[in-house]
Amino acid sequence: AQKVTQAQTEISVVEKEDVTLDCVYETRDTTYYLFWYKQPPSGELVFLIRRNSFDEQNEISGRYSWNFQKSTSSFNFTITASQVVDSAVYFCALSGFQGAQKLVFGQGTRLTINP
Amino acid sequence: EAQVTQNPRYLITVTGKKLTVTCSQNMNHEYMSWYRQDPGLGLRQIYYSMNVEVTDKGDVPEGYKVSRKEKRNFPLILESPSPNQTSLYFCASRKHRDLEKLFFGSGTQLSVL
Repeated sequence: AQKVTQAQTEISVVEKEDVTLDCVYETRDTTYYLFWYKQPPSGELVFLIRRNSFDEQNEISGRYSWNFQKSTSSFNFTITASQVVDSAVYFCALSGFQGAQKLVFGQGTRLTINP
Repeated sequence: EAQVTQNPRYLITVTGKKLTVTCSQNMNHEYMSWYRQDPGLGLRQIYYSMNVEVTDKGDVPEGYKVSRKEKRNFPLILESPSPNQTSLYFCASRKHRDLEKLFFGSGTQLSVL
């Protein structure tokens, strides 16, 4: 069975601090996809990134970066120089490689950036 | 505008009264799916559909039904709602092979009294 664990339920930091959101996953599949989604206060889910299990390169997109470590089954997300607009619930998710019909989400981490 | 439309946005009902939450997408997507979001549990998949007349169970299908008679619509049916189905529901869709672009609806907050 697949499982995603986001142990941090809530994180609160002051603006401009760096913050890392942890994601640990379990799967028996040898190939799979990992995702991060953002859910701002308005409620809709916004796609942030997808990683393939066979591509362990870290990725940076502006102030966002992702650290994929297959050896520890982790896919952590770091926001550098956080801003108030980053306040949201962030979900890590996992799916199998074939068709990716089933998407398993973590519990979510509520991130609050205080001015 | 490309979008996934869910209705209603909010719904309060009583135990046992059948209800349907509608979901419609205008992007000609093959894949559609329903999720429920509960505090501390994240989003859990209820049902998904790979195309017209092709549906399958997700992780928490009990108490729900779906149908996919047309490509654009994927309604979620609660034949006899119970209080433990009080939740925030999301519909999502994407092209079959476009794994990154999963479009979500705005959500339906359901309360079963």
